[in-house]
Amino acid sequence: DSGVTQTPKHLITATGQRVTLRCSPRSGDLSVYWYQQSLDQGLQFLIQYYNGEERAKGNILERFSAQQFPDLHSELNLSSLELGDSALYFCASSPWGGGSLDTEAFFGQGTRLTVV
Amino acid sequence: AQSVAQPEDQVNVAEGNPLTVKCTYSVSGNPYLFWYVQYPNRGLQFLLKYITGDNLVKGSYGFEAEFNKSQTSFHLKKPSALVSDSALYFCAVRDGHSGYALNFGKGTSLLVTP
Repeated sequence: DSGVTQTPKHLITATGQRVTLRCSPRSGDLSVYWYQQSLDQGLQFLIQYYNGEERAKGNILERFSAQQFPDLHSELNLSSLELGDSALYFCASSPWGGGSLDTEAFFGQGTRLTVV
Repeated sequence: AQSVAQPEDQVNVAEGNPLTVKCTYSVSGNPYLFWYVQYPNRGLQFLLKYITGDNLVKGSYGFEAEFNKSQTSFHLKKPSALVSDSALYFCAVRDGHSGYALNFGKGTSLLVTP
């Protein structure tokens, strides 16, 4: 168990809808990363938050957004969903937000999103 | 941006034989390299990392990785494969230009047969 909790584990929704994925980082970790894993794109970095503030953006669509709350949990919001958004979405956490390259990140078990 | 490449989609090996999963990297500056494993319907689990120092890094579950600067490689190895090692393996590099996010390779599926 990595200590990172993601809910829900599975989500099925229709095209055009909006969903929210939730992540609770390991105790004490300030940084949260969101990744998307699909068969054709592999593991893609979406966005990072550190202590409540956006720190970096990767390949995140404008229809997607995230936030990190004062208790450090994070939510990834996906809107106007398309069939191609079906994927496994991972959250990872690490203690720091930058300036240190040598610490690994710890991953949750993921949320499998199916858009029908 | 920092990147890694995993040239093999799948590696097949017989139980008890040594295994190697290949990874090459492209970075500016010092590389910070990681290996993760993903079992079916599970999240990614950290195996090992190279930061500096010895070129042979030891990690979890008997895995090790060899860092080779001249060949820009960071291959994952295990002396004797187990059927339970069958999983998806990802090489990753820390990218200081993306909030220190991990940039992953496409993954290599390892199949160990009895």
